[in-house]
Amino acid sequence: DAKTTQPTSMDCAEGRAANLPCNHSTISGNEYVYWYRQIHSQGPQYIIHGLKNNETNEMASLIITEDRKSSTLILPHATLRDTAVYYCIVQAGAGSYQLTFGKGTKLSVIP
Amino acid sequence: EAQVTQNPRYLITVTGKKLTVTCSQNMNHEYMSWYRQDPGLGLRQIYYSMNVEVTDKGDVPEGYKVSRKEKRNFPLILESPSPNQTSLYFCASSFAEDTSYEQYFGPGTRLTVT
Repeated sequence: DAKTTQPTSMDCAEGRAANLPCNHSTISGNEYVYWYRQIHSQGPQYIIHGLKNNETNEMASLIITEDRKSSTLILPHATLRDTAVYYCIVQAGAGSYQLTFGKGTKLSVIP
Repeated sequence: EAQVTQNPRYLITVTGKKLTVTCSQNMNHEYMSWYRQDPGLGLRQIYYSMNVEVTDKGDVPEGYKVSRKEKRNFPLILESPSPNQTSLYFCASSFAEDTSYEQYFGPGTRLTVT
């Protein structure tokens, strides 16, 4: 599975968009990009996933570059409850059950 | 409400005293797994199960056992706990289909072995 690189930490003002980058330059054609988050030692929570196209759901948007070597998770209007560690995971295929968590990005939403 | 439950949530025990951490899901998921999370090491998979009576080792299985006798339950057994098994443990589950992308995690069990 491809390795991902994320910034260690980021700050975002409450109400503004939070843009979390992820580099996955060695991604293969059948590998999906998943995003999970973990709020203060709670169980990780699925956010969104994508293969090639940009995706949007009620929580976030996922923008994947055309060469698929990087992606950005966008939280459109960050709230204090979005403060968490965000994990970008690249994993082969749908139903690829063993999630390989890296260190993630600690997002702090500031009032 | 769809959920994964774990019990106990907190446990302090002594070296060598057998313990079981239970995990149960109410979503009829085929796939279940256990992770441990340690500072600086992230989440690492211990064991997983693709269905009833089907289990396999993850990345760090030493010192742990699991069983899958019922679809909804996947207990983690520490036959002789040691201090290096002090950790935060998470159970997860999902459907085992090609269209299944989302894994659901339990709230965690914080285990301390003295």
